[in-house]
Amino acid sequence: ILNVEQSPQSLHVQEGDSTNFTCSFPSSNFYALHWYRWETAKSPEALFVMTLNGDEKKKGRISATLNTKEGYSYLYIKGSQPEDSATYLCALTEGANNLFFGTGTRLTVIP
Amino acid sequence: DTEVTQTPKHLVMGMTNKKSLKCEQHMGHRAMYWYKQKAKKPPELMFVYSYEKLSINESVPSRFSPECPNSSLLNLHLHALQPEDSALYLCASSETGANYGYTFGSGTRLTVV
Repeated sequence: ILNVEQSPQSLHVQEGDSTNFTCSFPSSNFYALHWYRWETAKSPEALFVMTLNGDEKKKGRISATLNTKEGYSYLYIKGSQPEDSATYLCALTEGANNLFFGTGTRLTVIP
Repeated sequence: DTEVTQTPKHLVMGMTNKKSLKCEQHMGHRAMYWYKQKAKKPPELMFVYSYEKLSINESVPSRFSPECPNSSLLNLHLHALQPEDSALYLCASSETGANYGYTFGSGTRLTVV
């Protein structure tokens, strides 16, 4: 079992604000890092899978960066919208098909 | 079809009952997973099937018994559960290998009474 930590636990932002949150993990066991968005009453949805140190990925207003040497990843949301309200989960794998999730950051965007 | 379908969506069962959770995907994914999620906790990995063979069992009690009848179906058989087993059970599938994102079902909300 891998120890994956996310901060903050929850976050409230105004519509239009940009925001970011952090995923920390033990750098010694890194193979791939995933980000998921989980809206209430829906299925978790894959956002990004990153494997290389320095990776940056973007999907619309959401982007993510990865630093495997220091063991962290940032998720950024530019110009938050109410539909971005969800729990954002990061997850780590050592290489086998065993993805371990962090506790998530619950984002609420206030109109 | 890009979905993972789980049935039932809700299940209430007694501690002496036997029930099964079902999961189905038609994306050709050869890895399938069961996760358990309790309130305000992250999803916890239970089982991994790769090419229809059990490859990972994360020390799950024997009252949970997984089964993969074919490459599209994954079952979780439940017997003699305890109230603390009440949780959301999520199924997911993916291509094999760590570089692929998972596709999740919407889960079965299980209550053990």
